[in-house]
Amino acid sequence: DTEVTQTPKHLVMGMTNKKSLKCEQHMGHRAMYWYKQKAKKPPELMFVYSYEKLSINESVPSRFSPECPNSSLLNLHLHALQPEDSALYLCASSFEGSGGTQYFGPGTRLTVL
Amino acid sequence: AQKVTQAQTEISVVEKEDVTLDCVYETRDTTYYLFWYKQPPSGELVFLIRRNSFDEQNEISGRYSWNFQKSTSSFNFTITASQVVDSAVYFCALSRFQGAQKLVFGQGTRLTINP
Repeated sequence: DTEVTQTPKHLVMGMTNKKSLKCEQHMGHRAMYWYKQKAKKPPELMFVYSYEKLSINESVPSRFSPECPNSSLLNLHLHALQPEDSALYLCASSFEGSGGTQYFGPGTRLTVL
Repeated sequence: AQKVTQAQTEISVVEKEDVTLDCVYETRDTTYYLFWYKQPPSGELVFLIRRNSFDEQNEISGRYSWNFQKSTSSFNFTITASQVVDSAVYFCALSRFQGAQKLVFGQGTRLTINP
């Protein structure tokens, strides 16, 4: 079953709010990813977790804080976001080995007011 | 540095026509992976195919086929007898060979199949 789930599907938040995005997979994958996608653009990598450790951080602002509580879960904590952070946030997972295919969740559409 | 170019921003065809989506990539790595993903209006990225750099065999899956040519750094995707359900944005992507790596995406091609 190649399924990655993400909650919530939609999120509207103010610039002073704190919220979290959640991602879950049960495929036994040990690598998990957060991507950000603006309208009419390709996804851009934000973070990679490998064996529950942060392995890649693409110089993302600190108002985005990732967390990997266990091998199946990946969270993205949001605080003091800006309107320009409005986007589709996609989670993916893969086997950690070379060339592991990344399987994506349906995404969370975030709007920052 | 790695780069993927999808020169066709938008393509519109009538149902049942064949359509080819172009993908050209740049990398200094000798081993790497290439991918195609489909993104329908719902937003989810759907994996279509993965090809590693040392396997230049073309692949066919139903109405879909892929032509990988290392000599021209191209990995083109053809849909035969297109259908309205094929309408989506298609992304070509490249990743390094080792471990969990980021996908470098092309800009995407928006394909519209008209009835």
